[in-house]
Amino acid sequence: EAGVAQSPRYKIIEKRQSVAFWCNPISGHATLYWYQQILGQGPKLLIQFQNNGVVDDSQLPKDRFSAERLKGVDSTLKIQPAKLEDSAVYLCASSPHRGLNTEAFFGQGTRLTVV
Amino acid sequence: KQEVTQIPAALSVPEGENLVLNCSFTDSAIYNLQWFRQDPGKGLTSLLLIQSSQREQTSGRLNASLDKSSGRSTLYIAASQPGDSATYLCAVPYNNAGNMLTFGGGTRLMVKP
Repeated sequence: EAGVAQSPRYKIIEKRQSVAFWCNPISGHATLYWYQQILGQGPKLLIQFQNNGVVDDSQLPKDRFSAERLKGVDSTLKIQPAKLEDSAVYLCASSPHRGLNTEAFFGQGTRLTVV
Repeated sequence: KQEVTQIPAALSVPEGENLVLNCSFTDSAIYNLQWFRQDPGKGLTSLLLIQSSQREQTSGRLNASLDKSSGRSTLYIAASQPGDSATYLCAVPYNNAGNMLTFGGGTRLMVKP
């Protein structure tokens, strides 16, 4: 079974530029999450999708971050404009559904460096 | 608001030692607790999921316990090996509505040959 795929693996941009990350969840997984992991910290949830709808985006900095999952499969996370403090690893995860006690499977992440 | 803390932040042990990683959480009304492993430059791998009705879960040399009333969980690693070197993260559901997770800061483990 293929895992969660993310691209690119690495990205370096200058502050105020824009950037987009792509995630392809495990086939058939209805639920998709984006997390931000700053160096030395645990991941922090940014947004959760159920199919193509947003379940929770309360921790997403909406002035500069946006995410979509138009067809309920792939998802894109965008930052515009980027700030230095956005330097982090962006992890995508998916699970079969939203139910409690359901495992989430994580991708390898995209490491963003803003200079 | 749920907060998750892991102690110690880093740990270095010689190969073969048994060790314990600690995780504490402020809101004891959790449905489950998960332990993950993260290798450098890699994503997270789920190790164990303990449901609130369970006291412990075992997988190979790993044993995780959960004490909801005291807000604590421990991950016990028996006979540690250099291949166990990684960061270990614990996490609980964000708001007990689905599987959005609140993570601790992790314990970075180094097992020396």
